[in-house]
Amino acid sequence: KAGVTQTPRYLIKTRGQQVTLSCSPISGHRSVSWYQQTPGQGLQFLFEYFSETQRNKGNFPGRFSGRQFSNSRSEMNVSTLELGDSALYLCASSISDAVQETQYFGPGTRLLVL
Amino acid sequence: QKEVEQNSGPLSVPEGAIASLNCTYSDRVSQSFFWYRQYSGKSPELIMSIYSNGDKEDGRFTAQLNKASQYVSLLIRDSQPSDSATYLCAGRPGGNKLVFGAGTILRVKS
Repeated sequence: KAGVTQTPRYLIKTRGQQVTLSCSPISGHRSVSWYQQTPGQGLQFLFEYFSETQRNKGNFPGRFSGRQFSNSRSEMNVSTLELGDSALYLCASSISDAVQETQYFGPGTRLLVL
Repeated sequence: QKEVEQNSGPLSVPEGAIASLNCTYSDRVSQSFFWYRQYSGKSPELIMSIYSNGDKEDGRFTAQLNKASQYVSLLIRDSQPSDSATYLCAGRPGGNKLVFGAGTILRVKS
């Protein structure tokens, strides 16, 4: 089975711009979660989508948003980029949210905001 | 108290030794636990998951969960230089939200 894929892998933007990142989960996985990883804050949960519905949201400002399509592919959008948004953005997929269910991470999108 | 806490290390062990990585957690993330390994510049990859008290073994890896002490650990036997990485402990408060510790850097010296 193919793993989680994310596009693009690298991105350079300037402050004030917006960006859209894409994630394709493992085939058959209906849950997609997004995380931000920075050296200072570590790995932090952004939000989770299941069957096109956002089920969980982390403590990030409203500039961070996402959506999920009927084929389980997901996108996240960051508007009005700030320097502090420079990070590795990771997408993870799982079949369901059962206690023992595992999340598998994609390779990530590295975003640099100048 | 942070939801998941790890000693950031680095933890240095000689090749062939046992590496012991530890993690404590708060009541809010007590459903299940995961250990991920992350090489520099790469994304996290799952090593072990555990959600019942006791030990769970997979090859050279053993995860231990002690719910009474709110403590989860990962033992790596016969450590190899290729095990050098950052090890992330994650707890699950509910749904598919994972809460990660800061990660422990492991260095295996040959």
